[in-house]
Amino acid sequence: SQKIEQNSEALNIQEGKTATLTCNYTNYSPAYLQWYRQDPGRGPVFLLLIRENEKEKRKERLKVTFDTTLKQSLFHITASQPADSATYLCALPPTNNDMRFGAGTRLTVKP
Amino acid sequence: NAGVTQTPKFQVLKTGQSMTLQCAQDMNHEYMSWYRQDPGMGLRLIHYSVGAGITDQGEVPNGYNVSRSTTEDFPLRLLSAAPSQTSVYFCASSREYRVPEQYFGPGTRLTVT
Repeated sequence: SQKIEQNSEALNIQEGKTATLTCNYTNYSPAYLQWYRQDPGRGPVFLLLIRENEKEKRKERLKVTFDTTLKQSLFHITASQPADSATYLCALPPTNNDMRFGAGTRLTVKP
Repeated sequence: NAGVTQTPKFQVLKTGQSMTLQCAQDMNHEYMSWYRQDPGMGLRLIHYSVGAGITDQGEVPNGYNVSRSTTEDFPLRLLSAAPSQTSVYFCASSREYRVPEQYFGPGTRLTVT
């Protein structure tokens, strides 16, 4: 069955460092992959989408890579700030009507 | 634009009670969906709608009903609440089915005792 795994439940880093979050998937050949941010008590907010023919995508301090051979996406936040602290979710497009979300990685950036 | 709105924000039910979670969007989006979010399990799709009058089941539909009489509204009904339905419920919308970017509401935290 299709499965999405985000590498760690929690990640703590120091302000100014680069945060790297991982999303792995199995039994899937997605046409694209998305990343969302979720703050406590709020709904997820869309950040970036990367398509299968794109190796890398950037938006301000965010960078996403997509390796369809490894079945993995990496999400980087450079020059991280305490305001980047949140849970980050990866999502794959619907197959059999289900949009699949990973369980998320909770990022804490310490000043 | 208010985006996607949900009411209530919090709700406590007793086992066996029924209730409706409300969801509305003002972006004229065709696609709307309901998810539940449980610790360690991510968001799971309950029901979705690709347009007014059309609904279909997601991954975890049992115990829930939906209808879509207008483009704007997509209520979720719990028929007979069970403790296993304790969760945070999110409504989401996108411009059309398979347009990837989804807009989420603020969520409803439901506790069933």
